Amino acid sequence: ILNVEQSPQSLHVQEGDSTNFTCSFPSSNFYALHWYRWETAKSPEALFVMTLNGDEKKKGRISATLNTKEGYSYLYIKGSQPEDSATYLCAFPAGGTSYGKLTFGQGTILTVHP
Amino acid sequence: KAGVTQTPRYLIKTRGQQVTLSCSPISGHRSVSWYQQTPGQGLQFLFEYFSETQRNKGNFPGRFSGRQFSNSRSEMNVSTLELGDSALYLCASSQGQYYGYTFGSGTRLTVV
Repeated sequence: ILNVEQSPQSLHVQEGDSTNFTCSFPSSNFYALHWYRWETAKSPEALFVMTLNGDEKKKGRISATLNTKEGYSYLYIKGSQPEDSATYLCAFPAGGTSYGKLTFGQGTILTVHP
Repeated sequence: KAGVTQTPRYLIKTRGQQVTLSCSPISGHRSVSWYQQTPGQGLQFLFEYFSETQRNKGNFPGRFSGRQFSNSRSEMNVSTLELGDSALYLCASSQGQYYGYTFGSGTRLTVV
């Protein structure tokens, strides 16, 4: 059974603060790591698909890093805004032709207060 | 371009009944996955279809089944509904292994 863990479970920050959270995944048989943002009353939205150790991806104020050797990824949000409030999920796909089988973490619920 | 479309959005069924949910993926996306979301369990993988074949299956009882048609549209079926099947069911499609999944809005199933 794959174990994908995220921390913290929830986070409250003030507008303008920078924040980060962690996703831990099995370091053996690494294939890829996905990050999704899930806003209330919407569908999960893909942020990044990370495949290389040391990879860093950026999308506006959001960036993510990856360490496949130790099995973790960090998601950073710079200058948080109220519209960043959402649940952030990481997901670990099974490899090869099983890439469509994603194991999700429980998510980090981010609330940004104006 | 059109996103992933799921129908219906809401369903109320009685214990023992069966239900069919539908998903139309983004055009050109051949991989379609289904997930169940409940408050306590988070997003749990149900199954994945690729080119009309079930490629992966999650740890759910045989009452949960699905299929994919030649146009990549997918359906999932739950027979003999139980109260615990009440959940949000999400469908997602992808164009390939190095791409993220695009999710539909989901079907909220309530079993009474």
